[in-house]
This record gives sequence, C-alpha cells and structure tokens, in this order.
Amino acid sequence: NAGVMQNPRHLVRRRGQEARLRCSPMKGHSHVYWYRQLPEEGLKFMVYLQKENIIDESGMPKERFSAEFPKEGPSILRIQQVVRGDSAAYFCASSPTGYLGETQYFGPGTRLLVL
Amino acid sequence: QQQVKQSPQSLIVQKGGISIINCAYENTAFDYFPWYQQFPGKGPALLIAIRPDVSEKKEGRFTISFNKSAKQFSLHIMDSQPGDSATYFCAAGAFNAGKSTFGDGTTLTVKP
Repeated sequence: NAGVMQNPRHLVRRRGQEARLRCSPMKGHSHVYWYRQLPEEGLKFMVYLQKENIIDESGMPKERFSAEFPKEGPSILRIQQVVRGDSAAYFCASSPTGYLGETQYFGPGTRLLVL
Repeated sequence: QQQVKQSPQSLIVQKGGISIINCAYENTAFDYFPWYQQFPGKGPALLIAIRPDVSEKKEGRFTISFNKSAKQFSLHIMDSQPGDSATYFCAAGAFNAGKSTFGDGTTLTVKP
C-alpha cells in the first residue's frame, strides 16, 4: 500500500506565475488535509477536503489560493500569482475518516521556491 | 493567536540521556494531543498521541505526560539515541474534527 504521494517534490516559480501542487492520498483514504510549513516554523493548517467537498478552509488565505479534491484524481492545491512569501513546504495528509484520532499520514511535501 | 506553544526550540542531549520537550495549549476544546517526528526532507510521522482521560502514555522509549489543569503536555524520550535526532512537533485538536494546530517544533540533536 503506497503512502501519500505528492508531486512535484520541488517547484520553482517566478513571481506572478501559478503553482499547482498535487496530492494522492493513501488507498482507501477519502479525507485530505493541506498544511504549509514556513522555515523554522511548525505546520499551519490550510484546508480539509473530502471527495468533491471542502469541509474546512479556515486556514486558507482569502486570495490566490484554492484547493479541490475531485471524485477522480489527486487533490490539487493551486496558488495563483505567486509571491515570494509563498515560498514554503506544502504538506498534505490523508486519513480514512475525518476523525483526528485516526492517524493522519503525511506525504513528503512539495517545496515551493518563488524567485 | 498561537494556540500551541512549544519549547525549547532546540535541544542537545548526550546519547543515553533523557530528552524533554514541552507544549502548552490554550483552547480547552482540544482533546487530542499527538506528537510528530520529522526528519529532514520528509513529512511528519505520528509518534505517539494522548487523550485527556489519562495523564501518561508510554510507547517504548517515548512517554507523553499530560496535565489537563495546567493545559500542558510533554514528550519524554528515554535513553536518547543519535537516530532520534529530528524535529519534533506537538499538536492539538478536537478528536472528532480533522485539523491539528501544531507547535513550532523542537530540533533535537543527540550526540554520540
């Protein structure tokens, strides 16, 4: 059973470009969470999605950021018109249910660098 | 408002020693407290977790101590090994919810 997969592992973008980060949850997991980790900081919750639904987006910046988890395919975190402050590691995690008590399995992360 | 405060930011321990990392939370609705271990270039991995109905949980060399009245919990690593060198994050959340609030992390270095 493959773990959570994220791609690309590293992404370089220039200011103003778009960044698309992909997350494939573990087999059988229908709940996906996105976190952002700035250098020397902990992970900050961004959004929680279930298949075709956004459950909690309280951590998402109001502009330029969006997320989806379609019925088929990976979850996508999209950042439009990137700025240098978006440079960070973005992690997704998946779980079989929406309960925090169920272990959330993290992917290896996508490291975004905005030039 | 930071809801989970973690200390120290970095910790150096000799092999065989005890590593202690502390966290404090503010939100009394939190009832699930996991600790994660993260190696460079990797995602966090769940190490051990506790719920407030117990004051201590032990798994191998790792122990969580929980003080509900003080809203504090800590991770103890007994007989620390160089392979334990990593960044450790405490987190807190509601058991029936999905998201966690993370501390800022502690970088542990265990010297041989």
